[in-house]
Amino acid sequence: TQLLEQSPQFLSIQEGENLTVYCNSSSVFSSLQWYRQEPGEGPVLLVTVVTGGEVKKLKRLTFQFGDARKDSSLHITAAQPGDTGLYLCADAGTYKYIFGTGTRLKVLA
Amino acid sequence: DTGVSQNPRHKITKRGQNVTFRCDPISEHNRLYWYRQTLGQGPEFLTYFQNEAQLEKSRLLSDRFSAERPKGSFSTLEIQRTEQGDSAMYLCASSPLRATEAFFGQGTRLTVV
Repeated sequence: TQLLEQSPQFLSIQEGENLTVYCNSSSVFSSLQWYRQEPGEGPVLLVTVVTGGEVKKLKRLTFQFGDARKDSSLHITAAQPGDTGLYLCADAGTYKYIFGTGTRLKVLA
Repeated sequence: DTGVSQNPRHKITKRGQNVTFRCDPISEHNRLYWYRQTLGQGPEFLTYFQNEAQLEKSRLLSDRFSAERPKGSFSTLEIQRTEQGDSAMYLCASSPLRATEAFFGQGTRLTVV
């Protein structure tokens, strides 16, 4: 069974700071996805990466996929209170999605 | 289409009672998923439907849990003889057959007292 570990588990930072969260898999990803979940809502897809070494940018968010396709990082530049939420990595396999343990981010104004 | 809809949003029940949740996926999405999420954790896979066929059930889905998707459209998840450990957020998601994005509903939060 694939295990996805995310770190840190919790992160509380001030507005304007930069941060990086990590996702590590016990096996090679089929394709890696990052989701953000706000309180009381379901997760919403941010990005999908497929190729080892791939880097994708979404405004202030930078996603990097490890060369061996077993790890990933999400970097947020100049965090804003609107970035607050639970960040989840997921393996989008053949037909189902396996989620990581999550990083809960709180950005203080 | 307004997205994946789940009802009810909240359910409080006494231990031992049965509960049923409903999920209406995005129209024409062949795939439908149920997940369970406890506070601060990632969603855990429960079961998967392709059209009306239930193709996989997690070991987490004990005999007290049953899910159906009778006409390949909406789905129900029933929990019989609820236990306090069943308290969680139950999320439904759907996706097209040849896509890799899961669209989630807002979830049903179950509290067993």
